Order: sequence, then structure tokens, then C-alpha cells
Amino acid sequence: DAGVTQSPTHLIKTRGQHVTLRCSPISGHKSVSWYQQVLGQGPQFIFQYYEKEERGRGNFPDRFSARQFPNYSSELNVNALLLGDSALYLCASSVLGGASDTQYFGPGTRLTVL
Amino acid sequence: TQLLEQSPQFLSIQEGENLTVYCNSSSVFSSLQWYRQEPGEGPVLLVTVVTGGEVKKLKRLTFQFGDARKDSSLHITAAQPGDTGLYLCAAWSNSGYALNFGKGTSLLVTP
Repeated sequence: DAGVTQSPTHLIKTRGQHVTLRCSPISGHKSVSWYQQVLGQGPQFIFQYYEKEERGRGNFPDRFSARQFPNYSSELNVNALLLGDSALYLCASSVLGGASDTQYFGPGTRLTVL
Repeated sequence: TQLLEQSPQFLSIQEGENLTVYCNSSSVFSSLQWYRQEPGEGPVLLVTVVTGGEVKKLKRLTFQFGDARKDSSLHITAAQPGDTGLYLCAAWSNSGYALNFGKGTSLLVTP
């Protein structure tokens, strides 16, 4: 079975631009979470979506937004990019979301902001 | 946000050596998870510990949850180059929707 897939793999943008990252969950999983992992740090929670509804949001500015589609795939959008947004963006899927579920992570999208 | 502190930050050892990495917090957790992340990949769940004092074994890896459920350790016996990676501990937030991670221990095992 296919795991969580993310696209693109790598991305280079300049300050002020916007970016859209995409995630396809494991088949049958209805929840998608997004994490940001800066070099040398652990992943930091950005959003969780379940059945197209946002269930949780981390401590990130409004420049970060996301949505989930009827097929449970998800997009993460970041506007007005800053140098500090350079990071590995990880998507994780689970059946229902929440602490009782195992989250399966994709390989991530490496975003570089110049 | 619950703060998870991991130590050491970096560890470089030779194949066959034993090692222990630690995850500490001032908060009490209902459960704690350990992940391994290899370069170019996302974290992969190794184990979830739930009960204070619990010990779980996964081949050469031994995980322990502190009696007070505030800390955990991961012990690797006879490390192999395939054990190389970033070891992360994580705990669910009070909301149950966010995983809070420590900064990780970067392990390098050389032949």
C-alpha cells in the first residue's frame, strides 16, 4: 500500500512569494496534520484537519493556512514567505486523528526561501 | 506547550557499542512516543509507552517510561550502522490533536 505522499519534494522560493504544498494521505485515512521541521529541531505542529474541518492549529502566523479536500488530500499554503520559513514541511495522516491514532508521516517537502 | 528535553543532542559511536538517550519533562504524560527519522524521510513511530515504569523492547531497542510518567529513555544494545538517524520523543498535547516533539538526538553509528 502507498504511504503518505507529498509534493513537491524540494522547492526554492524568494522572500515575499507564496507557496502551496500538497499531501495525499494513506487510503482510508481521514485526518491530515502538518508539521514544520527547522534544521536541528523536532517537528512543530501547524494544523490538523479531519473531514475537511480544522481541528487544531499550532502557534503559527496567519500567513499559514491549509485546507482538506473531499478526497482527504490536503494543501498547506504559506504567504509572504520569510527566510525563517525555510524548513522541511511534513504531512502526517491517520484514520481519525487524535491521540488514540498512529500518525504516519510522509517524506516531507524541503522549502528553501532565499 | 509541554516541553520535552532530549539529551544528548548528538551522539557518535562505533558499531557494537551500547547507548542511552533521554527524554525529560516537568509535565506528566498519559503516554509518550519514540520516533526515528532517517535523512530524507519523515519520522517513523517506534513505540508508545503508556504505563509508569513500563519497559518495552523492540529487538535491540529498549524503551522505558519513568515511574512518574515525566521522562523516558531509549537504550540501544550493540548499535549497528542501520541505527543511524534522528531519535525523537513526542507527546500528545492536552487537546489530543497535536504531537509535541523534542529536538531529538542525532545518532551516528560508524562501522
